Amino acid sequence: GQQLNQSPQSMFIQEGEDVSMNCTSSSIFNTWLWYKQDPGEGPVLLIALYKAGELTSNGRLTAQFGITRKDSFLNISASIPSDVGIYFCAGLIGNEKLTFGTGTRLTIIP
Amino acid sequence: AAGVIQSPRHLIKEKRETATLKCYPIPRHDTVYWYQQGPGQDPQFLISFYEKMQSDKGSIPDRFSAQQFSDYHSELNMSSLELGDSALYFCASSLRWVAGGPGEQYFGPGTRLTVT
Repeated sequence: GQQLNQSPQSMFIQEGEDVSMNCTSSSIFNTWLWYKQDPGEGPVLLIALYKAGELTSNGRLTAQFGITRKDSFLNISASIPSDVGIYFCAGLIGNEKLTFGTGTRLTIIP
Repeated sequence: AAGVIQSPRHLIKEKRETATLKCYPIPRHDTVYWYQQGPGQDPQFLISFYEKMQSDKGSIPDRFSAQQFSDYHSELNMSSLELGDSALYFCASSLRWVAGGPGEQYFGPGTRLTVT
C-alpha cells in the first residue's frame, strides 16, 4: 500500500524557534493536508493543499504542495508552548480515505 | 461551529464481547469515515460512507461492520472483540465535493476502546 514517510520523527526545540517538517511519498496525491493531534484527542485540520506548487499560510503555519505531488512540507514560525503535539501529514486521492504520515512529535524545551 | 460528535468517549469491554460506536457528522456533511489509531501509530482507514452507501473500504476486520443511517449518523459495530482491538477510533466527516474538489475531513474526539 501507499506509504507516507514523515520526518523528523521528533523535534525538541526552544520556544520562539522555527520548525520545519516534511512528508514524502512513493505515490502521487491530489490533496495534501496537515493535522495536529493532542494526546487522546482527534486530529485537528491545520492546512489543506489542493494544487501542485501551492503555498498556503494559516497564521504562523506555512505549508507547500510539492511540484511532483509526492511531497509536502509544513513550517511553523516562532513556536509557542501550545504548538506541542503530534503533527501528521495526510494524502488524499480523489475524495476517499486519507493516508497518514508517520507523524512528527514536537516538544518545546523550557 | 458544530463539530463531529462521537459516543461513547471511553468504552471498556471484555474479549469476545461486542461494542457499538456512534458518530454524528457535522451538519450537512454527506460523507463519514472511520479510522483506527493504535498506541503510537498513525490513524488507519477502516471504512467510509457517502449518502448512506458504503463508498470505500480499508483494513477493516470481518468482525467489524458499519452503516450510515438516514439522518447521516454512523455506527461501527465490533463483534468478538480481541485484545488487539484496543485503540482510539475516530470518525471524520466531510462534504464529498466542494467547488470541484474534495471536501476537507474533520475529525471527532474519538472513542477509546479498551478490551480486557
